[in-house]
Amino acid sequence: GEDVEQSLFLSVREGDSSVINCTYTDSSSTYLYWYKQEPGAGLQLLTYIFSNMDMKQDQRLTVLLNKKDKHLSLRIADTQTGDSAIYFCAESTSGTYKYIFGTGTRLKVLA
Amino acid sequence: DAGITQSPRHKVTETGTPVTLRCHQTENHRYMYWYRQDPGHGLRLIHYSYGVKDTDKGEVSDGYSVSRSKTEDFLLTLESATSSQTSVYFCAISDRLAGANEQFFGPGTRLTVL
Repeated sequence: GEDVEQSLFLSVREGDSSVINCTYTDSSSTYLYWYKQEPGAGLQLLTYIFSNMDMKQDQRLTVLLNKKDKHLSLRIADTQTGDSAIYFCAESTSGTYKYIFGTGTRLKVLA
Repeated sequence: DAGITQSPRHKVTETGTPVTLRCHQTENHRYMYWYRQDPGHGLRLIHYSYGVKDTDKGEVSDGYSVSRSKTEDFLLTLESATSSQTSVYFCAISDRLAGANEQFFGPGTRLTVL
């Protein structure tokens, strides 16, 4: 079946860039997403990318998509302590209910 | 923030008891979802709804049932709770399937089955 994999943990120093990686298996995915989950809360959408794009930038966030390798990454520039959270990648196929979440990467930002 | 509430926020129950979790939305979104979140598994879809009285199974539906009698309410029932159903449960809503499908999440319910 479809699978979305992420590394479990990432630790960076405040002010550095963070790069969170994700690999997926479903080639029919049309949109890929990054969600953020803060402690004790639900997920919130950060950004998404259409599958025929290879890059999207939104303020401090840069999403890179390598469709050939089914690899998605999220770069957070100038990482702040408020960025400490769990980050989930997800994929969906437009027009269907199929929405697959990754296992989540816990980002810890050290002051 | 999207208007989604979940109740209760925390519950401890015993094996074999029935449990009902409630999701309430004020956004009038058509689609509603129940997920469970477990370490190492991310979020997994239990059931979803595409309208009043219209529901279907997700990836991990065994042991769960749902009902949606009004647009704003989506109930998740564990008929006879087991320890393997100890988890954090999230409700989500969306207003479309076509295009970028942003899902809005509730705050979650932490359920412990002893």
